[in-house]
Amino acid sequence: QQQVKQSPQSLIVQKGGISIINCAYENTAFDYFPWYQQFPGKGPALLIAIRPDVSEKKEGRFTISFNKSAKQFSLHIMDSQPGDSATYFCAASPAGSSNTGKLIFGQGTTLQVKP
Amino acid sequence: DTGVSQDPRHKITKRGQNVTFRCDPISEHNRLYWYRQTLGQGPEFLTYFQNEAQLEKSRLLSDRFSAERPKGSFSTLEIQRTEQGDSAMYLCASTIVSSYNSPLHFGNGTRLTVT
Repeated sequence: QQQVKQSPQSLIVQKGGISIINCAYENTAFDYFPWYQQFPGKGPALLIAIRPDVSEKKEGRFTISFNKSAKQFSLHIMDSQPGDSATYFCAASPAGSSNTGKLIFGQGTTLQVKP
Repeated sequence: DTGVSQDPRHKITKRGQNVTFRCDPISEHNRLYWYRQTLGQGPEFLTYFQNEAQLEKSRLLSDRFSAERPKGSFSTLEIQRTEQGDSAMYLCASTIVSSYNSPLHFGNGTRLTVT
């Protein structure tokens, strides 16, 4: 049973453009929503994370928008750069704040930023 | 580099053989997780430890899989009688439970190929 659905599967953006990746979840008990970036041959690395008590969180060029009523959240990458080309995963934690390491991941989005 | 270390990086084995992977977490981290990632998919949770205690195992973890963390430091994941369906990237991750929103740090994984 897929509990976190991610779209699109792949995305091509021009340098300087905005990349937007969306995720939807089903379980209302989820309370921690991170985004991970993964380069080929490497493990995922945390980019940014949000709790449902806020609707938006920004760190540098990366912003999470969170819509609790719609059970959706999205990652926005502003001024996208070729170095941002990677696979991005959204995730959700089904437990309370004591176990943010047990994550359910989306299927991933492969982002290509063209120079 | 004081990140999560995994060994070996690659393992090719014949069906029916046993394999063992090792993970060295970040030294002060008391929680250690194992995930499995197949091509084109997000990581899937397998099991986790707090110190030396294994606190949860996913239904994905068949009886052929066993994980240990004997002294609360490094961990091993053993797969007995490997099957072709076991071919995947096995990721280890660690975190410290005492911090709210403590991020999960992943290693670069062990890629297993069962022929």
